[in-house]
Amino acid sequence: KNEVEQSPQNLTAQEGEFITINCSYSVGISALHWLQQHPGGGIVSLFMLSSGKKKHGRLIATINIQEKHSSLHITASHPRDSAVYICAVNGGSQGNLIFGKGTKLSVKP
Amino acid sequence: NAGVTQTPKFQVLKTGQSMTLQCAQDMNHNSMYWYRQDPGMGLRLIYYSASEGTTDKGEVPNGYNVSRLNKREFSLRLESAAPSQTSVYFCASKIGVNYGYTFGSGTRLTVV
Repeated sequence: KNEVEQSPQNLTAQEGEFITINCSYSVGISALHWLQQHPGGGIVSLFMLSSGKKKHGRLIATINIQEKHSSLHITASHPRDSAVYICAVNGGSQGNLIFGKGTKLSVKP
Repeated sequence: NAGVTQTPKFQVLKTGQSMTLQCAQDMNHNSMYWYRQDPGMGLRLIYYSASEGTTDKGEVPNGYNVSRLNKREFSLRLESAAPSQTSVYFCASKIGVNYGYTFGSGTRLTVV
């Protein structure tokens, strides 16, 4: 079993829809990261969370430490949100990141 | 612009050839990392450097060596490339333990 599981693996939405991507982890962590990877490959850090909730524009990230679960929400989705969203946790034995496999989001106009 | 710069962006090697992937950051970050990304898998840590002068193995270090040349630069060397090293390589850095990461734009390496 992977230490970081994301669902769904693929997600297609219509422009304007509310989107939720889930991340569950099985290790103790100090922080959880949400990353975005656009076609063409660059990776951008969206959020780093250790508790509660953070919001940036149309993006909201939440974490429940007791349940070892985090969600990334996108409100009023837009085609430019199409990307792979990656969950990663600070939980490796060397203090490094452990990555989920990513969720590929496609938002249709 | 400030950030993490990786070179080259693309490279094709023949089996057995050697090459060095370069990474430089201008944010005065202490920690630097090399990851590889393969289809259907999450990014995996190859090597990292917690601070200038130190390097440590990650999850998949075999076939690679690294050098933390100074605080800015962290290079990854393939001494004898193998087809299994075909991958996209990302360099990342962060200033300290409880801070977020900044990633480079990646190097797409193909070994034939």
